[in-house]
Amino acid sequence: NAGVTQTPKFQVLKTGQSMTLQCAQDMNHNSMYWYRQDPGMGLRLIYYSASEGTTDKGEVPNGYNVSRLNKREFSLRLESAAPSQTSVYFCASAGTDTQYFGPGTRLTVL
Amino acid sequence: SQQGEEDPQALSIQEGENATMNCSYKTSINNLQWYRQNSGRGLVHLILIRSNEREKHSGRLRVTLDTSKKSSSLLITASRAADTASYFCATDRLNNFNKFYFGSGTKLNVKP
Repeated sequence: NAGVTQTPKFQVLKTGQSMTLQCAQDMNHNSMYWYRQDPGMGLRLIYYSASEGTTDKGEVPNGYNVSRLNKREFSLRLESAAPSQTSVYFCASAGTDTQYFGPGTRLTVL
Repeated sequence: SQQGEEDPQALSIQEGENATMNCSYKTSINNLQWYRQNSGRGLVHLILIRSNEREKHSGRLRVTLDTSKKSSSLLITASRAADTASYFCATDRLNNFNKFYFGSGTKLNVKP
């Protein structure tokens, strides 16, 4: 099992560009999550999906959109990137209580 | 605002010593979890304690939970250099099992 995979691992964008971060899990989990981690801030929840076909906002959803494409995949889209979105982005999935994290995407917006 | 906050922010100890990290949270919870993050990597689940439990052990880890004080502690006994990492507590909120809130973490450095 690969667990939770994320692509890409690194990305540099210019202000105003758009991009989609991909996440997939092979553990048959219902819940999936997108977090951002800034230095000294811990993880902040952007969006989550409790099950296929549903999505909900987290603490910091502004500037992002998500799609729960199917049970395996949960993508995060930045429509018009801003320097404030420079961060490390983590995807996670959970069956019941425990979350399993992907390796992260390091995004820099110039 | 974040649900959980860890204390101290950073901790430096010698190999073999015990390390204690604390977490405080604001609202009633179902569960509290501790995660470890090695530099540049994703988080790894360590241990979960439910709101009706007071203490839990897993190997060299001991977690306590005091719901009246809304606080938890993680004790790592006989620390090793490989324990060097950041440690985060994560809580849900009562009646909402699906959302997790992370603190800002304790950065542990274990010197060989």
